[in-house]
Amino acid sequence: GAVVSQHPSWVICKSGTSVKIECRSLDFQATTMFWYRQFPKQSLMLMATSNEGSKATYEQGVEKDKFLINHASLTLSTLTVTSAHPEDSSFYICSAAQGYGGELFFGEGSRLTVL
Amino acid sequence: GENVEQHPSTLSVQEGDSAVIKCTYSDSASNYFPWYKQELGKRPQLIIDIRSNVGEKKDQRIAVTLNKTAKHFSLHITETQPEDSAVYFCAAYNDYKLSFGAGTTVTVRA
Repeated sequence: GAVVSQHPSWVICKSGTSVKIECRSLDFQATTMFWYRQFPKQSLMLMATSNEGSKATYEQGVEKDKFLINHASLTLSTLTVTSAHPEDSSFYICSAAQGYGGELFFGEGSRLTVL
Repeated sequence: GENVEQHPSTLSVQEGDSAVIKCTYSDSASNYFPWYKQELGKRPQLIIDIRSNVGEKKDQRIAVTLNKTAKHFSLHITETQPEDSAVYFCAAYNDYKLSFGAGTTVTVRA
């Protein structure tokens, strides 16, 4: 199957700082990528849909000014958590699909801990 | 939007027995239903999926059934093994995005 790579796999930062997470599709072009957040023992919650060359579409309740998404190319989407606080500590996972309605391929996930 | 409910939240089975997880969805326009297995700290892995034009699909010990009229689908794992222990998520695809169920923690007792 296709490969989606996410970096970093884990990051620890101080409260108030910003953290950038990268999601790359290594062997296919992804017009659309998705960003999920997963708290311990909970499900994956869709945060936003990232579209190449246009603004991301955020789910209800997700602050677009806090979670900045950039999808500058067909193989790279980035999520920046701005002014991070301890409650932002979570497992962030990206995914990408080859075309609409196709199998989703997930990145390895990034565990963010905000002190 | 789509709402996916999943039951049970936890499931403990004896090795060799079968495990069944059930999900319901709310939007009849959903047309793709994947199942994922997630081990602790890892990414979800697709184990089987089914599209709305099919009622059943099987892959070795894993099978999925879909009832479009009732809007529910189920995962069946037969002859369970300790390595089947993980969290399983169902999902429904609609409006170009996936909505996930809450997850089922499956424990296979040796």
